[in-house]
Amino acid sequence: DVKVTQSSRYLVKRTGEKVFLECVQDMDHENMFWYRQDPGLGLRLIYFSYDVKMKEKGDIPEGYSVSREKKERFSLILESASTNQTSMYLCASSSSLAGGTDTQYFGPGTRLTVL
Amino acid sequence: DQQVKQNSPSLSVQEGRISILNCDYTNSMFDYFLWYKKYPAEGPTFLISISSIKDKNEDGRFTVFLNKSAKHLSLHIVPSQPGDSAVYFCAANTGGFKTIFGAGTRLFVKA
Repeated sequence: DVKVTQSSRYLVKRTGEKVFLECVQDMDHENMFWYRQDPGLGLRLIYFSYDVKMKEKGDIPEGYSVSREKKERFSLILESASTNQTSMYLCASSSSLAGGTDTQYFGPGTRLTVL
Repeated sequence: DQQVKQNSPSLSVQEGRISILNCDYTNSMFDYFLWYKKYPAEGPTFLISISSIKDKNEDGRFTVFLNKSAKHLSLHIVPSQPGDSAVYFCAANTGGFKTIFGAGTRLFVKA
């Protein structure tokens, strides 16, 4: 059974802290994604990666960075957490070298609260 | 500017009846459309998809209809079951890596 796991289900951090969200997939997928989900806005793409050490900005990359040192692991970093980064963060992975038409498999999400 | 719009935040349907979830899009370059279902405390899971060269795709109780001229797609669930109660996200893709998601519609199926 395919699996995407995220390091924490719930996280509470203080403003200004550096935050690491980890995602691991066991499907040998080339592509990995980080989204945030907010009420009324759906899922918005923060960053994605189509290969090890490769990363591309999504629609809302400001305030975030990512790291992909191994194929199975994709990390999202909040350099200096702010209250407007309180959200549900979802990691996903997909196969296909052709782009995004392959379905994405999502992790359970991390609910981050920044105080 | 939302390229994929789900204008109904919620929908309530009686068990056994048809559920129709609607989605509108603005980008005519989208050529692949997907529906994902999300239960509380879980990540979204893929439900059904349709290519822009088709106008209908069916999978069991789930059918997606695409009207390209109207830039509109809909998901039909027949018959609806209480286990279908979830948030449904419409999504669209131009064939690249970026998939654009709608805001979601919460479906309640009453027993």
